[in-house]
Amino acid sequence: NAGVTQTPKFQVLKTGQSMTLQCAQDMNHNSMYWYRQDPGMGLRLIYYSASEGTTDKGEVPNGYNVSRLNKREFSLRLESAAPSQTSVYFCASSDSGTGGFYEQYFGPGTRLTVT
Amino acid sequence: AQSVTQPDIHITVSEGASLELRCNYSYGATPYLFWYVQSPGQGLQLLLKYFSGDTLVQGIKGFEAEFKRSQSSFNLRKPSVHWSDAAEYFCAVGGGAGRRALTFGSGTRLQVQP
Repeated sequence: NAGVTQTPKFQVLKTGQSMTLQCAQDMNHNSMYWYRQDPGMGLRLIYYSASEGTTDKGEVPNGYNVSRLNKREFSLRLESAAPSQTSVYFCASSDSGTGGFYEQYFGPGTRLTVT
Repeated sequence: AQSVTQPDIHITVSEGASLELRCNYSYGATPYLFWYVQSPGQGLQLLLKYFSGDTLVQGIKGFEAEFKRSQSSFNLRKPSVHWSDAAEYFCAVGGGAGRRALTFGSGTRLQVQP
């Protein structure tokens, strides 16, 4: 089991360029998440997908789009990168069900720099 | 809205000394609480979690945490720190109607002196 995998590990973009961050999980989880991590701010939720075919905005969705391609894959797209999007991006996945809460498993992260 | 406060940005302890990292949360109902650890350049690893039941929970690597509802706290402890424990530690809270994602604190960076 690879768990949660993310590609690429590092990326440098120029302002205005676009790119897609890829995430895949092999744990058969229903829910997937994208977070960004900035110094002194912990992790903040960008978007999440409670189940295949659904996506919802999190705390900081502006400038991003997501696609839940299938149950395994959840991608994050930056259409026109800005320096404020320089960050480390983490994908996570979890089980889901009615009631309760399920722990999340994190990928290794993508370090993105926008110049 | 739920929130998490980790009042200590940076803590330095000597190897072999005890450790306590503070976490306070704001949440309207019984929270689901987590501690994660992040080594430099790595992803987040779950140390322990509290969902219900016994308020003292044991985790991996010799860590434990105690849920105190009256103080809205979930502090992480370890009786004897090892050099390999140097990392950043995040407290997080989850739950709430329709809310599936975690809310994280800003993190505490732990430095271990030989």
